[in-house]
Amino acid sequence: DQQVKQNSPSLSVQEGRISILNCDYTNSMFDYFLWYKKYPAEGPTFLISISSIKDKNEDGRFTVFLNKSAKHLSLHIVPSQPGDSAVYFCAASAKGSTLGRLYFGRGTQLTVWP
Amino acid sequence: DVKVTQSSRYLVKRTGEKVFLECVQDMDHENMFWYRQDPGLGLRLIYFSYDVKMKEKGDIPEGYSVSREKKERFSLILESASTNQTSMYLCASSLIHNTEAFFGQGTRLTVV
Repeated sequence: DQQVKQNSPSLSVQEGRISILNCDYTNSMFDYFLWYKKYPAEGPTFLISISSIKDKNEDGRFTVFLNKSAKHLSLHIVPSQPGDSAVYFCAASAKGSTLGRLYFGRGTQLTVWP
Repeated sequence: DVKVTQSSRYLVKRTGEKVFLECVQDMDHENMFWYRQDPGLGLRLIYFSYDVKMKEKGDIPEGYSVSREKKERFSLILESASTNQTSMYLCASSLIHNTEAFFGQGTRLTVV
């Protein structure tokens, strides 16, 4: 049973516009959330994270929003660039769980076209 | 910079072979993980380890075993490779809870 869900397998956005990637979770014990970016034939790279004590975290063009009551988070990329085209994975970890285990969603393929 | 290194980028093995995938990290991380990535299925956890000689099953441990004899090294073993184990294998390491995991470059394993 997937505890972290990314319901959109793909997203296509024009260069310069905003990309919004969504993620839902079911486990109320999750207290730390992360986004990873993955290019083909490479390992995922960490992008941005947010603790459950916050509702927003920003890093340059990337902002993550957390809505705990809805068990929903989103990643905003503004402005989108062609180099952002990759698979984005949402991940979460739970307080009190076996140390450091991350639960991943199935990913969203973002395509940014010129 | 944290570095997680997987021993091979690409491997081709025959059905029934015993396969070893090696992973080394250089940041003294307690936790190490093995995932596999398949299209449409995301990253699925095979095994993880939070200390030397300690291991925990993930979501899909069947057909795999692991070894962690030293803190920096975590090996994934396919006891008898099968074609359904053809996949991208990803090793990761992390400190304790609430920190990001760092991934290796991945090993694309093909079992024929």
